[in-house]
Amino acid sequence: EVQLVESGGGLVQPGGSLRLSCAASGFTFSSYWMHWVRQAPGKGLVWVSHIANDGSTTVYADSVKGRFTVSRDNAKNTLYLRMNSLRAEDTAVYYCARAEGSTLEYWGQGALVTVSS
Amino acid sequence: QSALTQPPSASGSPGQSVTISCTGTSSDVGGYNYVSWYQQHPGKAPKLMIYEVSKRPSGVPDRFSGSKSDNTASLTVSGLQAEDEADYYCSSYAGTNNAYVFGTGTKVTVL
Repeated sequence: EVQLVESGGGLVQPGGSLRLSCAASGFTFSSYWMHWVRQAPGKGLVWVSHIANDGSTTVYADSVKGRFTVSRDNAKNTLYLRMNSLRAEDTAVYYCARAEGSTLEYWGQGALVTVSS
Repeated sequence: QSALTQPPSASGSPGQSVTISCTGTSSDVGGYNYVSWYQQHPGKAPKLMIYEVSKRPSGVPDRFSGSKSDNTASLTVSGLQAEDEADYYCSSYAGTNNAYVFGTGTKVTVL
């Protein structure tokens, strides 16, 4: 069974940093591209970033470019999202998702990030 | 990259059908056959319902169907059931640099 479990969320002050993790199991993690998608409270889904299966390619939404960094450790079956210079508008539930081609096939349960003083 | 446009709400009685539209541009919906639809119940993660415009993942009832014409994709839910009440989001591949874009979301209510 495919499982994706996010962790690392919490309360952080504006300008601060946080690193999210997504632990994968039930499939060959190194074979799949992975994505991060976020959802602000009461709002819609917004794509954040994706990374190739071998980490060679990363792409970011304009809203996080230069502040967020996606990475992965295939030996640990774990996806990461390093978030720097956090803003109030980054407050959201962050989901990791496994891609099959251009489809986000499986999603984690999400991790809440709150940026507030 | 602007969000794809969906109606905020849609509704139908049990057994009826509801269709949700998803309008983009030639750079996303119109340019690729990579439109997906996701169902999200309150407090839950999104669930894939349709991929590549009209394909259904294993386990998704055939009451759910998808189509596309030019820059607009559509999701139809036939034979509405109470458990279909949820938020629905479309998404589309948008090219190498922009990657992906989601729709604004539609709340489906079963009357």
